[in-house]
Amino acid sequence: AQSVTQLDSQVPVFEEAPVELRCNYSSSVSVYLFWYVQYPNQGLQLLLKYLSGSTLVESINGFEAEFNKSQTSFHLRKPSVHISDTAEYFCAVSPRGHSTDKLIFGTGTRLQVFP
Amino acid sequence: KAGVTQTPRYLIKTRGQQVTLSCSPISGHRSVSWYQQTPGQGLQFLFEYFSETQRNKGNFPGRFSGRQFSNSRSEMNVSTLELGDSALYLCASSLEAGAVTGELFFGEGSRLTVL
Repeated sequence: AQSVTQLDSQVPVFEEAPVELRCNYSSSVSVYLFWYVQYPNQGLQLLLKYLSGSTLVESINGFEAEFNKSQTSFHLRKPSVHISDTAEYFCAVSPRGHSTDKLIFGTGTRLQVFP
Repeated sequence: KAGVTQTPRYLIKTRGQQVTLSCSPISGHRSVSWYQQTPGQGLQFLFEYFSETQRNKGNFPGRFSGRQFSNSRSEMNVSTLELGDSALYLCASSLEAGAVTGELFFGEGSRLTVL
């Protein structure tokens, strides 16, 4: 079975500061890794994903995440946040070769960006 | 291309009542999953439907049920509502049940309040 731990339930940060949202997972098999974002009063949107290849993956809005197999982590980073990045971020894993019904989400990290 | 549409967006029920929530997936998507989102538990998988068949079910009591129609639209039903059923119910669609890329497309959710 897989599990996901997001260590920080809330992360307050000032605009233009860097941020890191932590995600650790546990799995006995190889996994795919994902970050989803939920803006206020909206559903979740896929932010980025790691399936294979380069361990560093990037999103179109400046976020990046690095898959670290030895530390079983997939932390999300952004060098300079904007007010519009205020949202809840969910890390998720699924075992390789399985369909989306096996997607396991973390409990989420609420990122609040202050001016 | 229209996104995932969920109705109703908000509803209030009392204990003991039943509720039906509706989800229209993105055109061409044949798989529909349902999640319950609460502040304490995060996102919990309810069930997934593909081609009118329930493929997988999460760890919820039998009061939670669903179905999928031939046009891929899906409904979920909760009978004998309890206070703890208050949550945001999210529907997500994907192209195929066997998709392993993990990209789910979420609706904005139906927020259920049980009084």
